[in-house]
Order: sequence, then structure tokens, then C-alpha cells
Amino acid sequence: DAGVTQSPTHLIKTRGQQVTLRCSPKSGHDTVSWYQQALGQGPQFIFQYYEEEERQRGNFPDRFSGHQFPNYSSELNVNALLLGDSALYLCASSFLDGTGPSGYTFGSGTRLTVV
Amino acid sequence: DAKTTQPTSMDCAEGRAANLPCNHSTISGNEYVYWYRQIHSQGPQYIIHGLKNNETNEMASLIITEDRKSSTLILPHATLRDTAVYYCIVRVNDYKLSFGAGTTVTVRA
Repeated sequence: DAGVTQSPTHLIKTRGQQVTLRCSPKSGHDTVSWYQQALGQGPQFIFQYYEEEERQRGNFPDRFSGHQFPNYSSELNVNALLLGDSALYLCASSFLDGTGPSGYTFGSGTRLTVV
Repeated sequence: DAKTTQPTSMDCAEGRAANLPCNHSTISGNEYVYWYRQIHSQGPQYIIHGLKNNETNEMASLIITEDRKSSTLILPHATLRDTAVYYCIVRVNDYKLSFGAGTTVTVRA
């Protein structure tokens, strides 16, 4: 049973460009969350999608947007990239609100470097 | 969400129990204590969570004090593969996990 799959694994972009990151949740999960992890820090919550709607959002600007598809997969889009957007972007999936016996399942992330 | 305080780092001998403390003195009655860990270059991995009672699963045990102001994660027989950053998270009934800096645990042979 595949866990959470993220693509691509690594990405290099130039300042001002736009990027799309993709996530396929674990089988049986219907909720996808996105996190940003800067080097040496803990992950920071960006937003969560459930039933194709953004259910909760962290303290991130509107340059960060997302989408969830009917098959529960999700995309994270970042516009007008800044050097400070360089980070590991993590996708986490769960059933409903993640309070079940296995919590949230995280993917291995996409390493984004903005130059 | 309530804040947590964890030691920055700790060492543990392979085969011995690792006891990871976490203080959450401002925890509310409806807030759960969650533990995740992150091995280098991987995403965080769920370990265990609890509300009031002590909990045990195949990975670890969670001991929560009676006043719920602190907890301890116990890895019963640490292995080299348990070397990771361990995050203690207090979560109210919303959807996000608020990660702190965590405790870097190094298991030594």
C-alpha cells in the first residue's frame, strides 16, 4: 500500500517564477494538508483541503494557493517566488481530521530551491 | 494551541530505554498530546497520541501526568534507527499540527 507520494522530489526555480507541487494521499485518506519546512526548523502549516475545499489556512500569503481533486490528490501552487520560499514542502494526508489511530501520514517532501 | 517545551537534544545508548520529556503547562482540557518524529531527509512520522490516560502502541509509550502539564515519550529499546528529531505537539480540536523545534535524539552504539 503506497503511502503519500509527492512530486517532484527536487526543484530549482528562479525568483518571480511560479511552481506547482503535487501530492497523492495514502489510500483511504480524504484530507490533504501542506507544510513548509525551512532548514533547521519544524514544519509550518500552510493549509488543509477536504472535500475539494480549503478548510483551514495558516499564516501564509495569498501567493500560496492549492487545489484538491475529486480523487483526493492535491496541488500546491506558489506564485512570484521569493528566495525565502526555498524549503522542504511536505504533504500530509489523513482520514477526516487526523485524530484517528495513525494520525497524519507525511510524504517525503519536495525540496524547492529558489535562486 | 498550547505551547510545548522540549530539550534541544539528548543522547541514548542503543538497547536502553529513551525517555523524552515535554512540558505543556498551558494545556487545555480538550487538547491532545501528539508525538511525531522526523528522520533525516524524510517527512514526519506519527508515533502516538493521548488525552489523559497513558497510551502504548508498537512504537512507544506515552505517559501523561495527572495534571496534564507534562508528558514523557518512552522508546523502550532504542535502536540506531530511532535517531531523529522528536516533536511533542499539543493540538486542540482543529486540523493543523503546530511543530516546535523538537528534541534531536541521537542513539549511540
